[in-house]
Amino acid sequence: DAKTTQPNSMESNEEEPVHLPCNHSTISGTDYIHWYRQLPSQGPEYVIHGLTSNVNNRMASLAIAEDRKSSTLILHRATLRDAAVYYCILRRDDKIIFGKGTRLHILP
Amino acid sequence: DAGITQSPRHKVTETGTPVTLRCHQTENHRYMYWYRQDPGHGLRLIHYSYGVKDTDKGEVSDGYSVSRSKTEDFLLTLESATSSQTSVYFCAISESTGSTPLNEQFFGPGTRLTVL
Repeated sequence: DAKTTQPNSMESNEEEPVHLPCNHSTISGTDYIHWYRQLPSQGPEYVIHGLTSNVNNRMASLAIAEDRKSSTLILHRATLRDAAVYYCILRRDDKIIFGKGTRLHILP
Repeated sequence: DAGITQSPRHKVTETGTPVTLRCHQTENHRYMYWYRQDPGHGLRLIHYSYGVKDTDKGEVSDGYSVSRSKTEDFLLTLESATSSQTSVYFCAISESTGSTPLNEQFFGPGTRLTVL
């Protein structure tokens, strides 16, 4: 499986946008880019996914580089509830292989 | 929230005893997964199922077996528990669209297992 690289941790101020980066230089043409997050003491939850084009949903936006070797999850206005571990994952089949993710701290 | 329950939610057992964890879903999703989560390792896939009686190994399957006799239930068994299997276990479900099961996975609340 192609691997992803994310910073171990990031900080952001409440009510400001957050850009979470992910590098995936060995991505193949059939790999989808998925993002999940895990709030404290909970199971992971789906955030967003995309293939080539940028994607928006009610939770976040996903910006995918033109060469697909990197992507950025954008939280438009962070709240304290967004403090979590964010996982960037490449999927081409029915399995998800989680990395260690980015722990996002939100400062009030 | 997707209808996924895990039982038990907490269990303490002794080394060498058999343990079975249950995942139950009410969504009629085809795919079910078992993960374990340990500090410093994130989530790791143990086994998954792509239909009744159809299962496959994940990245850390040694010491674990699974069974799926009904769509709604996916059982994870530790035949002889060891202290290294102390972990938080998460079940997940996913439906498939055609031949590409790339839909999102929904996760259960987790089971905290301690093996003494």
